Amino acid sequence: NAGVMQNPRHLVRRRGQEARLRCSPMKGHSHVYWYRQLPEEGLKFMVYLQKENIIDESGMPKERFSAEFPKEGPSILRIQQVVRGDSAAYFCASSPQSSGTSYEQYFGPGTRLTVT
Amino acid sequence: SQKIEQNSEALNIQEGKTATLTCNYTNYSPAYLQWYRQDPGRGPVFLLLIRENEKEKRKERLKVTFDTTLKQSLFHITASQPADSATYLCALENGQNFVFGPGTRLSVLP
Repeated sequence: NAGVMQNPRHLVRRRGQEARLRCSPMKGHSHVYWYRQLPEEGLKFMVYLQKENIIDESGMPKERFSAEFPKEGPSILRIQQVVRGDSAAYFCASSPQSSGTSYEQYFGPGTRLTVT
Repeated sequence: SQKIEQNSEALNIQEGKTATLTCNYTNYSPAYLQWYRQDPGRGPVFLLLIRENEKEKRKERLKVTFDTTLKQSLFHITASQPADSATYLCALENGQNFVFGPGTRLSVLP
C-alpha cells in the first residue's frame, strides 16, 4: 500500500524557468492538498483539489502558479518563471474525504525546489 | 486578525518526563484540530484528531485536549523518549483548507 508519492524529490531551476511538481495520492484518495514550507517556517496552504476540480485556491499566489488534478494521472503544481523566493519545500497531502468530514491528511516526502 | 501560535519554538525535556505543547488560535472556529509530527527533511505524519465537541483524546502515550472557550489545544507526550524528538505541528480545520501552526521543536534529552 504505497503512500503519497512526490517527484522529483529535489529540483533545481534557474530563474525564469518553469518548475513542475508531481503528486500521486494514496490509492483510493481523491482529495489533494498542496503546501509550501519555507526554511524555519510552518506549512502554508496553497490549493485543494479533487479530481478535475479546484476546490480552494485561496493560498495560491495570483501569478505564475497553477495546479491541476486530472481524471487520470498525478496532480501537478506548476510554477512559471521561477524566482529565488520560490525556493522552498513543497508538500502534497491526500485524504480520502474532504476536510469537512474530518479526515486526516497523508503527506508525501516533499519536493525541494532550489532556484539559482 | 486570524492567528495560530504554538507555545515555543523549541522545548527541551528530560527523558521520562511529560512534554506539554500548546496551540492557541485567534479568530478561527475550527470544527476539529489535528496534531502532526515532522522530522527533518520529511513530510508531516498525522498523530491525533480531536473534534470541537470532544474534550480529550488519547492514543498510547499521547493525549490531546481541546478547549474551544480558551481557543487552545494541549498536546501531551507522557514518558517521553529521545525518539520523540521532532517538530510537532497543530493544524486547524478552516472550511475547505487547513491552517498549520509554526511548530514546536521538541528535544528529549537522555
